[in-house]
Amino acid sequence: KAGVTQTPRYLIKTRGQQVTLSCSPISGHRSVSWYQQTPGQGLQFLFEYFSETQRNKGNFPGRFSGRQFSNSRSEMNVSTLELGDSALYLCASRLESGYTGELFFGEGSRLTVL
Amino acid sequence: AQKVTQAQTEISVVEKEDVTLDCVYETRDTTYYLFWYKQPPSGELVFLIRRNSFDEQNEISGRYSWNFQKSTSSFNFTITASQVVDSAVYFCGGGTNAGKSTFGDGTTLTVKP
Repeated sequence: KAGVTQTPRYLIKTRGQQVTLSCSPISGHRSVSWYQQTPGQGLQFLFEYFSETQRNKGNFPGRFSGRQFSNSRSEMNVSTLELGDSALYLCASRLESGYTGELFFGEGSRLTVL
Repeated sequence: AQKVTQAQTEISVVEKEDVTLDCVYETRDTTYYLFWYKQPPSGELVFLIRRNSFDEQNEISGRYSWNFQKSTSSFNFTITASQVVDSAVYFCGGGTNAGKSTFGDGTTLTVKP
């Protein structure tokens, strides 16, 4: 079956703009998590959504937000972009939220902020 | 809070050598899970293994093996007879019932022919 699909794969924005990234989980997976990967900070957890509700949240400012739709697809939004937001944003899905099930990752959306 | 330490930033070996990647996972939680992921140059994180904290049995999968010792909080990963295709960044990490996984900084493994 199809894996986790993230769009767009690459994008370039300028400071102050906003960006929306999309993630389609594996069919049947209801939990979607987002991670930010940078060379300096490694992989940092942003948030997790399950059944259209945010279940967990990492330590990121309010400029980072997300949502999940009834078909489990998820979007994350970053407003008022800063240079430090340049990163690979990874989406991961799993069957259920909580303790069970490994994360299946997409290939990521690479954001460059100029 | 959890802390994941992958002491080796980079490792370079010659093909067919065995290599062990170290990982230490520290948490106050008594129940948690641990995992390893591989990230090849394409960028997609590939799941390798997941273990629960109450299961200390070692695991072997082909050339891969994992050694979990709860007493030392270590969850080390060994590749036997390494191959060039094993070159990647390997991430160790863990989480709890909260479902919020914490990753280490990764170890870049280079296997030279």
